[in-house]
Parts: sequence; structure tokens; C-alpha cells
Amino acid sequence: QKEVEQDPGPLSVPEGAIVSLNCTYSNSAFQYFMWYRQYSRKGPELLMYTYSSGNKEDGRFTAQVDKSSKYISLFIRDSQPSDSATYLCAMTGYKLSFGAGTTVTVRA
Amino acid sequence: SQTIHQWPATLVQPVGSPLSLECTVEGTSNPNLYWYRQAAGRGLQLLFYSVGIGQISSEVPQNLSASRPQDRQFILSSKKLLLSDSGFYLCAWSPLRETTTYGYTFGSGTRLTVV
Repeated sequence: QKEVEQDPGPLSVPEGAIVSLNCTYSNSAFQYFMWYRQYSRKGPELLMYTYSSGNKEDGRFTAQVDKSSKYISLFIRDSQPSDSATYLCAMTGYKLSFGAGTTVTVRA
Repeated sequence: SQTIHQWPATLVQPVGSPLSLECTVEGTSNPNLYWYRQAAGRGLQLLFYSVGIGQISSEVPQNLSASRPQDRQFILSSKKLLLSDSGFYLCAWSPLRETTTYGYTFGSGTRLTVV
């Protein structure tokens, strides 16, 4: 079993829709949770960072962590074509563990 | 501010040829450095990481090696490339002793095609 499971998609939504992405994990030692965004042929860039269970908002993005269920989510409201990218969840033990990434396409 | 440089952006190499990819970090000292490979639909695979000059840890046995000749320089090498070495190679860094709280910063990647 992988430490971090993420549905690779692909996910295609119309512009303005809410995008919902999620990851599950098995290691209870994970304490810090991140979401990276990766545009085609580019390196991943840190999008959101959370520590505790609960929600964290940054503009159109909301990161949600449920440590009791070992489940994290990323929501993108009012999605735009510029949000089309691969989104990777990541979480830390002594090194960063990544999900496989979900490819999202927002159709204009 | 800290920046990470990785080159070349694209590389096409014949099977059996050598490889050298270079990564440098600016604006910080004593970073942790990482090499990842990303295959299509398979996520990021950690290849090597380094916590200091000359200190290299290998995560998976393979046809590749890494070296850190200077504090902010990380090199990925191969003596003889295989077709299976094709992929997207990413260098990353994180602050020493703060890796688990702030994540990694990635370079722009090198797309390697072995033909």
C-alpha cells in the first residue's frame, strides 16, 4: 500500500465549476500537508500549506485536513482555464511524500 | 530571495551515452537538495537527497548517481543511459532542519529522452 493515495484523474470541468481534489494517507506520523500545482513541462510550485485539521482558505482555494480520517482535500472555487494543471498532494514524515497527482482541465 | 536553477531544460541522448544534469541554488546556505524523476501518471520518485557536501543518500538502486561538490550545487549523472532513464527530472531544495514544515522548492525540470 502506498503511503499517499491520489486519484490521477484526469478531471475535466467547465469554467466556473468547483474542483474537488483529495488524497488519503496511511502514516499517522504525517503532520504537515501541502498542495502543489504543476503546469505542463514545469516544476511543481507550492500552492497551499496546512498543519492542523480543519480548513484553510487562500482566495479561491480551500485546503481541508481531516487527520482522524487521514484524508485531505483541495477545493478550487470559480475555476478558471488558468487552473488547468496537475495538482499533487504532499505530506511530511522525515521527508516529503507525494501523491501521484491529479490532472485537471478547466474548459472555457 | 532564494532561487533554484536547473539545466538543460530539454535533452535528447542516445542509449549508452553519459549524462550530467546540474542544479544550483542561490540565496541560501546549507540547503537540503533532492533529485526526483517524474514519469507520466506516476508521480514523483525520489532518487537522491543530500544534507551536505559529499553526503548523498540513494533512495532507489538504478543506473544513476549524484554528487554534491559544492554547498549549493547538485549533479545527477549516468555513465551509460538506458531507455528506461527517460523522464522528467526535477531538482529541489529545502531549508536545513526545516524540511518537514516548509516543503520543497522545485526547479523547472529537465525533460530527458533517451533514444
